[in-house]
Amino acid sequence: SAVISQKPSRDICQRGTSLTIQCQVDSQVTMMFWYRQQPGQSLTLIATANQGSEATYESGFVIDKFPISRPNLTFSTLTVSNMSPEDSSIYLCSVSTSDGTDTQYFGPGTRLTVL
Amino acid sequence: AQKITQTQPGMFVQEKEAVTLDCTYDTSDPSYGLFWYKQPSSGEMIFLIYQGSYDQQNATEGRYSLNFQKARKSANLVISASQLGDSAMYFCAMRPRMDSSYKLIFGSGTRLLVRP
Repeated sequence: SAVISQKPSRDICQRGTSLTIQCQVDSQVTMMFWYRQQPGQSLTLIATANQGSEATYESGFVIDKFPISRPNLTFSTLTVSNMSPEDSSIYLCSVSTSDGTDTQYFGPGTRLTVL
Repeated sequence: AQKITQTQPGMFVQEKEAVTLDCTYDTSDPSYGLFWYKQPSSGEMIFLIYQGSYDQQNATEGRYSLNFQKARKSANLVISASQLGDSAMYFCAMRPRMDSSYKLIFGSGTRLLVRP
């Protein structure tokens, strides 16, 4: 499976500011995803990061709030814009295998607290 | 509607014993994948095991096995010989293959505590 790293691992931010989270994979992958896990909750897909084109957002998530970049097949960023305390969550990137199972492997996550 | 249900918010098991974590799913898609993930307190999501809807055999990976009952739409995770390090949240997830978004649909999770 791919080795996935995320930066930062955690951060504490003030409301109204923005934070950019980086996701780096050690091999080229087609499918990359960004998930949010609010405290005590399960994971929810924010968007699929598409290389060379705009991300595909799930219902309830918009590009102005969560802009995503995917400049190549090994790297993506997620920005959480104009943050509020409700954005306090773990943000995880994942990549999907191309072995026919669609198994997703996750990065270590970014634990964000907004004050 | 595509949905994963995990009815056990929390479970206890004695070290070295086996434990079953329940998962039921709902989908009209004839082709789908089922997954289990472990999330320790550190927050990372660790892939444990995969079962395809057309797989004839139940999946096994070391101490993990998946009890797949297609007619009942259940995909329970069995952990044998529990260890203290198994204490974590466990999530069941589904990937309906007709869904072009490729997203995983997660259940609400089960917190497992292994007692020494």
